[in-house]
Amino acid sequence: DVKVTQSSRYLVKRTGEKVFLECVQDMDHENMFWYRQDPGLGLRLIYFSYDVKMKEKGDIPEGYSVSREKKERFSLILESASTNQTSMYLCASSPPVAGDSYNEQFFGPGTRLTVL
Amino acid sequence: AQTVTQSQPEMSVQEAETVTLSCTYDTSESDYYLFWYKQPPSRQMILVIRQEAYKQQNATENRFSVNFQKAAKSFSLKISDSQLGDAAMYFCAYRSDIIQGAQKLVFGQGTRLTINP
Repeated sequence: DVKVTQSSRYLVKRTGEKVFLECVQDMDHENMFWYRQDPGLGLRLIYFSYDVKMKEKGDIPEGYSVSREKKERFSLILESASTNQTSMYLCASSPPVAGDSYNEQFFGPGTRLTVL
Repeated sequence: AQTVTQSQPEMSVQEAETVTLSCTYDTSESDYYLFWYKQPPSRQMILVIRQEAYKQQNATENRFSVNFQKAAKSFSLKISDSQLGDAAMYFCAYRSDIIQGAQKLVFGQGTRLTINP
């Protein structure tokens, strides 16, 4: 079974703190993703990575950065946390797709971050 | 930009009955993938079903089936014989792009499904 784990289920931080959210997958997947989930907005893609040290902006990258030093680990960084970054953060991984095929994205359990 | 719209924030159904969740999307592409994901209270998102746009036949997975209307850009999920374990948030998603083998998904707002015993 594919397993995607996230370092914390719940996290409370103060405004201005630097926050690290960690994600680890055990299936040797090339692709990893960070989403945030908000009521009424669904999931929105923040950043993704298709290889070690490679990253691409998603739809809402402002205020975030990412790091992928090892294939199995993808970190989301909030350089200076703000209250509007209070949200649920979901990590996902998948194998690469070729041509017109598809591959399932496997999700972690999420981290509910509260910024006070 | 592609968008996905789920117009029903909440739905409820009696156990053993059938429920349909709606999803519409906007795209100018002719070939694409659509997905339904389930997020139970445990928060672990699970893929329920997928549909390839070039296939006219509606996808089916056990009690889950879709009604894919390409011209209308509609992709609804039908759950038959609803069970208590079906209670979850359901998200419709569209594959918008592939970059270096990584699929970008666009999700709808979600529909929270309650099953009444």
